[in-house]
Amino acid sequence: GAVVSQHPSRVICKSGTSVKIECRSLDFQATTMFWYRQFPKQSLMLMATSNEGSKATYEQGVEKDKFLINHASLTLSTLTVTSAHPEDSSFYICSARGTGPDQPQHFGDGTRLSIL
Amino acid sequence: LAKTTQPISMDSYEGQEVNITCSHNNIATNDYITWYQQFPSQGPRFIIQGYKTKVTNEVASLFIPADRKSSTLSLPRVSLSDTAVYYCLVGRMDSSYKLIFGSGTRLLVRP
Repeated sequence: GAVVSQHPSRVICKSGTSVKIECRSLDFQATTMFWYRQFPKQSLMLMATSNEGSKATYEQGVEKDKFLINHASLTLSTLTVTSAHPEDSSFYICSARGTGPDQPQHFGDGTRLSIL
Repeated sequence: LAKTTQPISMDSYEGQEVNITCSHNNIATNDYITWYQQFPSQGPRFIIQGYKTKVTNEVASLFIPADRKSSTLSLPRVSLSDTAVYYCLVGRMDSSYKLIFGSGTRLLVRP
């Protein structure tokens, strides 16, 4: 089945650092990928829709200058958390839908971001 | 975007059958129903998906009544490793459709 891979799985860095998270579709092409954020004991919250070759679409309340999304190829989307602060510490998850009829969305294993 | 309602939590014991019901009163004609399982510090994992009636795979069954305003995920003979959060989502099957998560159901399986 379709596989979505995220890297890195965990990041610990100092406040003020910018962090890049990669999301790859390993065995299919994805014109659209999605980025979610999840805080402890809460559900996934959609942050943005990443569109290959065009600008990402951000959900209300998500700062586009804070969370930079680049979808330069059909198998790779990146999320960069710029000048990260402790409140940006969270679990970031990407997803993409496999090609073909009736394909569900598949999710990466997430990236745990901890800002000190 | 269809909104779903699920019980916040459920308890069960090993070997029992667990049924988790999800309400989606505003489901659209083109919407499918998809269930995911999530363990701590992992991304959601696809369990099962359906449009109407009954769907069964190796791990679960999905029951959808004729009006499609609800669905029930059935997990036969649960084990401790089935302790997780289960999410019910509805939406179209095109690649650009964004899924919005509800609160999910936290299932605890006891020995």
